[in-house]
Amino acid sequence: AQTVTQSQPEMSVQEAETVTLSCTYDTSESNYYLFWYKQPPSRQMILVIRQEAYKQQNATENRFSVNFQKAAKSFSLKISDSQLGDTAMYFCAQQPFTGNQFYFGTGTSLTVIP
Amino acid sequence: EAGVTQSPTHLIKTRGQQVTLRCSPISGHTSVYWYQQALGLGLQFLLWYDEGEERNRGNFPPRFSGRQFPNYSSELNVNALELEDSALYLCASSLVRTEAFFGQGTRLTVV
Repeated sequence: AQTVTQSQPEMSVQEAETVTLSCTYDTSESNYYLFWYKQPPSRQMILVIRQEAYKQQNATENRFSVNFQKAAKSFSLKISDSQLGDTAMYFCAQQPFTGNQFYFGTGTSLTVIP
Repeated sequence: EAGVTQSPTHLIKTRGQQVTLRCSPISGHTSVYWYQQALGLGLQFLLWYDEGEERNRGNFPPRFSGRQFPNYSSELNVNALELEDSALYLCASSLVRTEAFFGQGTRLTVV
């Protein structure tokens, strides 16, 4: 069974500081995709970053980067230079290579404090 | 290019009634997913449609059902509404092995 676990229900960070959100997953698949999604208070869910499991290099998108540890089945999101607009719910998700279904974690609510 | 669109945006229904929510995927996307997000909770997987077929459903009672049309748009039907069905219902679409794109959601309130 595919499961995604986010062990931090809530986090906060000072503006301009760095924060790391944790995500672990369980899968028997050897190839899969991993995602971080952001859901701001306005509620539209948007993709933050995507990682292919067969790529060893960690994905980076501007201030957002991941630490992908395949053996440990860990996929954390680092947000550098946090901004007020980063305040949102963050969801980690996994998609097996063999299918199209997405498996989401329970989310981490991040608050950026001015 | 238009994103995933959902209608209506808000809905108030009475317990016991039936409701239909609609979703139009991004053009060319064949997979449509439905999720329920109750207040303060994560995403609960409801249904996944691809190429007109139901591929998987989450742990929800049979009164939650849906379908996907030949143009890949989708409907989610909920019969015999209960108070705990009050939630944000999110639709997403994707191509094969790509990220999912989400709509704005439909806020359903059951009174």
